[in-house]
Amino acid sequence: DAKTTQPPSMDCAEGRAANLPCNHSTISGNEYVYWYRQIHSQGPQYIIHGLKNNETNEMASLIITEDRKSSTLILPHATLRDTAVYYCIVRVTGKGNTPLVFGKGTRLSVIA
Amino acid sequence: EPEVTQTPSHQVTQMGQEVILRCVPISNHLYFYWYRQILGQKVEFLVSFYNNEISEKSEIFDDQFSVERPDGSNFTLKIRSTKLEDSAMYFCASSESGASYNEQFFGPGTRLTVL
Repeated sequence: DAKTTQPPSMDCAEGRAANLPCNHSTISGNEYVYWYRQIHSQGPQYIIHGLKNNETNEMASLIITEDRKSSTLILPHATLRDTAVYYCIVRVTGKGNTPLVFGKGTRLSVIA
Repeated sequence: EPEVTQTPSHQVTQMGQEVILRCVPISNHLYFYWYRQILGQKVEFLVSFYNNEISEKSEIFDDQFSVERPDGSNFTLKIRSTKLEDSAMYFCASSESGASYNEQFFGPGTRLTVL
């Protein structure tokens, strides 16, 4: 089972920042936090991942709390094309071929 | 940008028939995966594959399923005798290594419909 808890749905106005929370209170020290999204039954798309430091790439920013028990994915300027289901996944390090365990995710609706 | 490709995009088959779903992973990737998603449900892991053998499999991946890398580019999932409950989207993924800091890249999926 997924080790994360996410709100089932969120709305965001187009052009505003979308902040998607994730709780992973039982995360271990050797587990990464990954974010993927799935746009309308397409294949999941990798967004970003981190271990303990905040991370930023061209798609999003990932803020991980100091105790690592929660994180927030930030899409700085949401567009209609960002409407998708967003999955927060914890994944153990140091072990080859670790599968991704998907939960139900957060359905983000970006509204014009 | 390199991507994972899958064929066919949609496969319709009769119950009891064999199907082979095909994937071409990203060329320098060494680790390959199959996942499935039944309509309206979560994405579920089926199997991972490295160095021409299965690394890990879920309880879904029973004797009806098999995987193969028949040549240097293709990675296939075979369902020997399809059941109605095998109807789902099947996603192939690949990663450069098995390390957890290497992301998995997913293909667009094959929609399997078993009648």
